[in-house]
Amino acid sequence: AQSVTQPDIHITVSEGASLELRCNYSYGATPYLFWYVQSPGQGLQLLLKYFSGDTLVQGIKGFEAEFKRSQSSFNLRKPSVHWSDAAEYFCAVGGFFGNQFYFGTGTSLTVIP
Amino acid sequence: DGGITQSPKYLFRKEGQNVTLSCEQNLNHDAMYWYRQDPGQGLRLIYYSQIVNDFQKGDIAEGYSVSREKKESFPLTVTSAQKNPTAFYLCASTTQGHIDEKLFFGSGTQLSVL
Repeated sequence: AQSVTQPDIHITVSEGASLELRCNYSYGATPYLFWYVQSPGQGLQLLLKYFSGDTLVQGIKGFEAEFKRSQSSFNLRKPSVHWSDAAEYFCAVGGFFGNQFYFGTGTSLTVIP
Repeated sequence: DGGITQSPKYLFRKEGQNVTLSCEQNLNHDAMYWYRQDPGQGLRLIYYSQIVNDFQKGDIAEGYSVSREKKESFPLTVTSAQKNPTAFYLCASTTQGHIDEKLFFGSGTQLSVL
């Protein structure tokens, strides 16, 4: 069965510190992986996606993610967090003939000055 | 600008009442989706449609109904059978079978029970 696990419900980091949000997936075929960000009361915005090729993908707002097939992981990273990065982050798997997209439960990020 | 429009932003339902949430897209996307979001539970799929006049149940379809009479529209009705309808509802759409496939989201509807 397809599923996505985000083990960290909530993370707090200081502004300027580095960030890593974890994502593990279970998927029966070649995974297509996504990270989305959601501000309160808003829809989701795509940060980055991985379909194939280079396992390190760059996204918007200075985010990057690395696909590790051996670990079934797709962790999101940012070298220096800004206060505006405070939001909810969702990892997802699916798409491309898969019909459905499966989302993790999200990680809430708080940024302290 | 192309995008997905959800309305209303806030909606209140009385006991025993059916309510309909609107979702319109002008992206010419084939597939449309409805998700329910509850705190700490992420996004759960209610219904999805890959083509006009066809749709499939997602993981939590009970108490909901949809229609897809036009490519650009995918309204969701929350029926009186849905006993716990308070949630944030998100509509999304995508192209299909394309290497650049990704979900585009509307800005959501917050449904509350009076």
